[in-house]
Amino acid sequence: DQQVKQNSPSLSVQEGRISILNCDYTNSMFDYFLWYKKYPAEGPTFLISISSIKDKNEDGRFTVFLNKSAKHLSLHIVPSQPGDSAVYFCAASAAGGGADGLTFGKGTHLIIQP
Amino acid sequence: EAGVAQSPRYKIIEKRQSVAFWCNPISGHATLYWYQQILGQGPKLLIQFQNNGVVDDSQLPKDRFSAERLKGVDSTLKIQPAKLEDSAVYLCASSLGPRFYEQYFGPGTRLTVT
Repeated sequence: DQQVKQNSPSLSVQEGRISILNCDYTNSMFDYFLWYKKYPAEGPTFLISISSIKDKNEDGRFTVFLNKSAKHLSLHIVPSQPGDSAVYFCAASAAGGGADGLTFGKGTHLIIQP
Repeated sequence: EAGVAQSPRYKIIEKRQSVAFWCNPISGHATLYWYQQILGQGPKLLIQFQNNGVVDDSQLPKDRFSAERLKGVDSTLKIQPAKLEDSAVYLCASSLGPRFYEQYFGPGTRLTVT
């Protein structure tokens, strides 16, 4: 039972354009959402997060949008750069007695084309 | 600031053998996590420690996997005996505390069970 779903295994975008990565979740108890970026042979690196009390969070070229009613979040990267080529993971956590291990999606491989 | 250290980086063993992985978290990080990432999947939480106490081990296959965090710093994850399906990357992460703190990941240990 996949609680966090990233339905696009890969996405190809031209350099300078906007990249939009999507994520859906099923667990209503999730209240904190994160995006991680991963290069080959490295561990995931935190990118940006959003609490369920917000619907948008922005950090430089990266913006995350949260639609709680649709249980959907998206990551926008503007403008896309070659160094953005990586696998992006959507992750979520739920409050519960201090246990806050993340539930990850399967990832989307973003390819930025020159 | 030094990142999360893991060793070994790669390990190949035969099924039914045992193996151990080591993790040294970022200094001062009270919370430590072990994740398993099977090829093509997102990381899956195995166990979470707060200092040297276990917060969540609900997804740890306890018949063959064990983990400890002595003195609330370094941690080891052991598999005994290993099965073919244990082939994966084992990621260690640490954070300042539970909830709303960024989790920093190590580079992982790639385990191949033949």
